[in-house]
Amino acid sequence: NAGVMQNPRHLVRRRGQEARLRCSPMKGHSHVYWYRQLPEEGLKFMVYLQKENIIDESGMPKERFSAEFPKEGPSILRIQQVVRGDSAAYFCASSMNTGELFFGEGSRLTVL
Amino acid sequence: GENVEQHPSTLSVQEGDSAVIKCTYSDSASNYFPWYKQELGKGPQLIIDIRSNVGEKKDQRIAVTLNKTAKHFSLHITETQPEDSAVYFCAASNRGSGNTGKLIFGQGTTLQVKP
Repeated sequence: NAGVMQNPRHLVRRRGQEARLRCSPMKGHSHVYWYRQLPEEGLKFMVYLQKENIIDESGMPKERFSAEFPKEGPSILRIQQVVRGDSAAYFCASSMNTGELFFGEGSRLTVL
Repeated sequence: GENVEQHPSTLSVQEGDSAVIKCTYSDSASNYFPWYKQELGKGPQLIIDIRSNVGEKKDQRIAVTLNKTAKHFSLHITETQPEDSAVYFCAASNRGSGNTGKLIFGQGTTLQVKP
């Protein structure tokens, strides 16, 4: 049973470009969470989604960030017009109902 | 909203000694408290968790205690080994029907075990 799969593992973007991060949850998991980790810091909650629904986006910046979890395919975290402050590791976690959260290996975004 | 404070931020111990990491939480509705270990360049991995209906849980060299009245919980690692060196995060959430179950994390503790 494959774990939570995130890609790309590393992404480099120039300021103003768009970044798309993908997350495939564990088989059978319908709950997806996105977290951001700045260097030397803890994990900050961004958004919680179920299939085709955003349940809690209280941690998402108001502009430039969006997330989706379509009926088919992976969850996508999209960052438009990236700035240097967006450089971070973005982690996806999935769970079955309200059980244990399993994390992926993360996508590390570097904005030049 | 929920806030989780974690101490210390760094901890250095000799191999074989014990390590203790402490966390406090603010939301009295929190009922689930996991601990994650994160190695360099990797994602967090769950090492132990405790729910609010128990006060202590042990798994080999790792134990977690919970004091609901004081709203704090602790991770205890005994007989530490160099491979225990990593960053450890505590977290809290309100899991159950009608809740999002999102985890709120502490700031992390960098544990170094010296051989």
